[in-house]
Amino acid sequence: GAGVSQSPSNKVTEKGKDVELRCDPISGHTALYWYRQSLGQGLEFLIYFQGNSAPDKSGLPSDRFSAERTGGSVSTLTIQRTQQEDSAVYLCASSLSGYQETQYFGPGTRLLVL
Amino acid sequence: QKEVEQNSGPLSVPEGAIASLNCTYSDRVSQSFFWYRQYSGKSPELIMSIYSNGDKEDGRFTAQLNKASQYVSLLIRDSQPSDSATYLCAVHTGGFKTIFGAGTRLFVKA
Repeated sequence: GAGVSQSPSNKVTEKGKDVELRCDPISGHTALYWYRQSLGQGLEFLIYFQGNSAPDKSGLPSDRFSAERTGGSVSTLTIQRTQQEDSAVYLCASSLSGYQETQYFGPGTRLLVL
Repeated sequence: QKEVEQNSGPLSVPEGAIASLNCTYSDRVSQSFFWYRQYSGKSPELIMSIYSNGDKEDGRFTAQLNKASQYVSLLIRDSQPSDSATYLCAVHTGGFKTIFGAGTRLFVKA
């Protein structure tokens, strides 16, 4: 079946604009993660969704960042009033249940804030 | 102290040699441990997972876990140029959060 898909693959925006990044997990996977990876750096955890449970938002860097997951499937990460330091690759991953499970990553969205 | 620490490298080994990648973690309640490989410009992909103390082998790869020392390693035998990548150590803490290390860059010289 299809893997994790993300859109857009690349996004260039101006400072101060809002952006929405989309993630479509593997069908049947109940756990969904968002990470941020700056150039040459490791993965920074942003937010985790598991089924219908309240999401773990502990990694969101500021209140400009928010995410939702509709119907337990597709997720949208929204960054309001983008700043240049938000430039990074945003990776989405899904796993079957979240507990001790392999995470399967999407191709990422490369965000550049000018 | 970072929750998951790795030597950033680069680690350079000749083709055919053993590459040894190390990782330490701070949360003693961590239950599961993963090694992901990330080629430049690509997304991470799982290489190995390990949950119990000791060694776990899969082909040319061996993961080693020592929970008492809070240490996990990855050995790559008969290293190939195609193994050149960044290797990310990931630790699944209590709950469902996964913490990634910054990664070790490996270069295998032909």
